[in-house]
Amino acid sequence: GQQVMQIPQYQHVQEGEDFTTYCNSSTTLSNIQWYKQRPGGHPVFLIQLVKSGEVKKQKRLTFQFGEAKKNSSLHITATQTTDVGTYFCAASGGSYIPTFGRGTSLIVHP
Amino acid sequence: DTAVSQTPKYLVTQMGNDKSIKCEQNLGHDTMYWYKQDSKKFLKIMFSYNNKELIINETVPNRFSPKSPDKAHLNLHINSLELGDSAVYFCASSQGTLKNGYTFGSGTRLTVV
Repeated sequence: GQQVMQIPQYQHVQEGEDFTTYCNSSTTLSNIQWYKQRPGGHPVFLIQLVKSGEVKKQKRLTFQFGEAKKNSSLHITATQTTDVGTYFCAASGGSYIPTFGRGTSLIVHP
Repeated sequence: DTAVSQTPKYLVTQMGNDKSIKCEQNLGHDTMYWYKQDSKKFLKIMFSYNNKELIINETVPNRFSPKSPDKAHLNLHINSLELGDSAVYFCASSQGTLKNGYTFGSGTRLTVV
């Protein structure tokens, strides 16, 4: 299946600082999705990126898809304690079923 | 109205037992899935069902068997449970090109003792 590397595994920030998680693939992707999982919860779909170089925003969250469609990032501006959780990318290549990255756990210190 | 519901939420059982986890979705989605999330939060797909046909079956032990009585239900039956089966199992559903992603259930935490 599609291999996708997600970094960092953990990120501690002070409330108000920015946060970024990255997903990288060695092969060209058809699309990439992002999910958020709160502690003790289930993954919740945030967004899907399809086009090369695409940038989408949701309030303080900015999602990017690389020009070569091999990498993606999720950036959170001015983190809040409600942003705590694990953020997963899920990448689709030739396979119908996306492969999930291992996630980045965000810890926000008040 | 819960979109994807799975039961039970918690399941504690002894090694060697057989157990089932049920999943139902009321979204009208055409594909349902089972994912296993281990203690390191890695989400691994186990099965996918589309229109009652198994379309992907990753290399999971044959002790695991999905059963789909209709498009809205995908149950997971596990025989001869082992300690390594302890994990959180998520049911999910999707429609078409995944434009709206997967909708996950709230998960079943299985503990084998």
